Amino acid sequence: AQKVTQAQTEISVVEKEDVTLDCVYETRDTTYYLFWYKQPPSGELVFLIRRNSFDEQNEISGRYSWNFQKSTSSFNFTITASQVVDSAVYFCALSEARPGNTPLVFGKGTRLSVIA
Amino acid sequence: DVKVTQSSRYLVKRTGEKVFLECVQDMDHENMFWYRQDPGLGLRLIYFSYDVKMKEKGDIPEGYSVSREKKERFSLILESASTNQTSMYLCASNNPGQGIYEQYFGPGTRLTVT
Repeated sequence: AQKVTQAQTEISVVEKEDVTLDCVYETRDTTYYLFWYKQPPSGELVFLIRRNSFDEQNEISGRYSWNFQKSTSSFNFTITASQVVDSAVYFCALSEARPGNTPLVFGKGTRLSVIA
Repeated sequence: DVKVTQSSRYLVKRTGEKVFLECVQDMDHENMFWYRQDPGLGLRLIYFSYDVKMKEKGDIPEGYSVSREKKERFSLILESASTNQTSMYLCASNNPGQGIYEQYFGPGTRLTVT
């Protein structure tokens, strides 16, 4: 069975601090996808990134970066120089990498509060 | 841009009422999903559909049914609403056949059953 664990329920940081959101996953599949979503106070889940299990390169997009390590089954998300607009609930998710029925398995989310 | 819309942002219904939540996507996606989101429990999959008139149960289908008569529309039905169905309901779609594994979500419907 697939499982995603986000051990940090809530994190609070002061603006301009760096913050890392942890994600650990379990799967028996050899090929899979990992995702991060942002849910701001408005409620809509916004897709941030998708990573393939066969590509362990880290990715950077502006102030956001992702560290994927298969050896530790982790897919951590770092926000550099955090801003108040980063305040949201962040979800990590996992799915099989095959066409057809591919439900996502979500972690329970980490609520990030960035204080000005 | 992928657009997923849901018929209502907020809905208040009485216990025992039949409730319809509608979801429409405009990107010709094969798959559509219904989740509910509750504090401390995260997102839980209710039902999903991988084709017109096809459906599969998710993790918590009890008390719900779905309908997909057209590719772009996926409806969630609460046959007889109960207070424990008060929740945020999120619809999503994707298209793995076209390499779109990520799901795109609608804005959500916050349902209150009194």
